[in-house]
Amino acid sequence: QQQVRQSPQSLTVWEGETAILNCSYEDSTFDYFPWYWQFPRESPALLIAIRPVSNKKEDGRFTIFFNKREKKLSLHITDSQPGDSATYFCAASVLGYKLTFGTGTSLLVDP
Amino acid sequence: EAGVTQSPRYAVLQEGQAVSFWCDPISGHDTLYWYQQPRDQGPQLLVYFRDEAVIDNSQLPSDRFSAVRPKGTNSTLKIQSAKQGDTATYLCASSFKVGERLFFGHGTKLSVL
Repeated sequence: QQQVRQSPQSLTVWEGETAILNCSYEDSTFDYFPWYWQFPRESPALLIAIRPVSNKKEDGRFTIFFNKREKKLSLHITDSQPGDSATYFCAASVLGYKLTFGTGTSLLVDP
Repeated sequence: EAGVTQSPRYAVLQEGQAVSFWCDPISGHDTLYWYQQPRDQGPQLLVYFRDEAVIDNSQLPSDRFSAVRPKGTNSTLKIQSAKQGDTATYLCASSFKVGERLFFGHGTKLSVL
């Protein structure tokens, strides 16, 4: 059973547009939700993370919106740049144990 | 600060052969993770350690996979008899302690023919 789901599987936006990546989860005990990004031929790296004490986390052009009731979250990338082209993984865990990753969204930003 | 180091970078095997992957975590990180990442999928946790102790290996196929971290620093992941379904990139990651940010190595890309 896939505990963390992501959509869409792939997304293309124009430079300057806002990209929206979606994530949903099954386990209501999850309390930590990091997003990792992975560039081709590179390993994943932490981009931004949120805990359910808040419903929004912002870091520059990257914002996580969190809806605990619906068990959904989304990553918004404003003013998308070609350098943002990567695969984005939503992940979840309880107290940081056993981080479970989704299947990823491949983002392409066209210049 | 040196990152997480893994070797080898690539491995190509025939089914039934054995292979070992080696990982050197960031100095001072007490928690070490092994993930399997099949092509076009997210990383899937196999096993993780705090110091030399296995904390969770419930997703490790124990009949063919084994992992050790004898001195609480470097770690080795071994596949005894590889299958084509083991084809994936094997990622090692470390964190200062459980629950903290993971730092990943570049991975070992395994192809089983």
